[in-house]
Amino acid sequence: KNQVEQSPQSLIILEGKNCTLQCNYTVSPFSNLRWYKQDTGRGPVSLTIMTFSENTKSNGRYTATLDADTKQSSLHITASQLSDSASYICVVSARIAAGNKLTFGGGTRVLVKP
Amino acid sequence: DTAVSQTPKYLVTQMGNDKSIKCEQNLGHDTMYWYKQDSKKFLKIMFSYNNKELIINETVPNRFSPKSPDKAHLNLHINSLELGDSAVYFCASSLTGPAYEQYFGPGTRLTVT
Repeated sequence: KNQVEQSPQSLIILEGKNCTLQCNYTVSPFSNLRWYKQDTGRGPVSLTIMTFSENTKSNGRYTATLDADTKQSSLHITASQLSDSASYICVVSARIAAGNKLTFGGGTRVLVKP
Repeated sequence: DTAVSQTPKYLVTQMGNDKSIKCEQNLGHDTMYWYKQDSKKFLKIMFSYNNKELIINETVPNRFSPKSPDKAHLNLHINSLELGDSAVYFCASSLTGPAYEQYFGPGTRLTVT
């Protein structure tokens, strides 16, 4: 069964500090891994998409890593800002006959405090 | 100029009623999706349409029926609503292909009383 597990479930950090979120998955056949940011009351917004051959990708202060051998990914937030308070969702795409199917993790809720 | 829009944003209704949620995208995408986000915040795919044709249909009760009148629209009709249908429903769209980004709508919060 395809699964995506994220840790921690929630995280409180002070403004300006860094943090790292973890994602472990058992999804096959693997197609790509995505990180989304979801603000409260809004739809998810894509931060990064990584394929099998990519092991790091950045989007501003967000840097995602992927280890396809151990099936782990991380999202690092540098110099956090109040606007980073949101849920961060790891999503793994499996290649299926009909196209691609996404499996979502439960998310990590990040709260940045001044 | 919203990329993916959904209506209504909030929907409160009683058990047994039939309701519809509408979704429209103006991005020129050819694939559209419906997701359900439960109280634990897990997002699960319900349906996926490509060029108006159903390509993914997860284990969803047949009370849920998607309708795609054209590539830019994917509506969700729900019959005989149940308490367990209460959730946030998200529409999304993308180009067809394994690594194309999905763009999500703002969500519709459905509450069944």
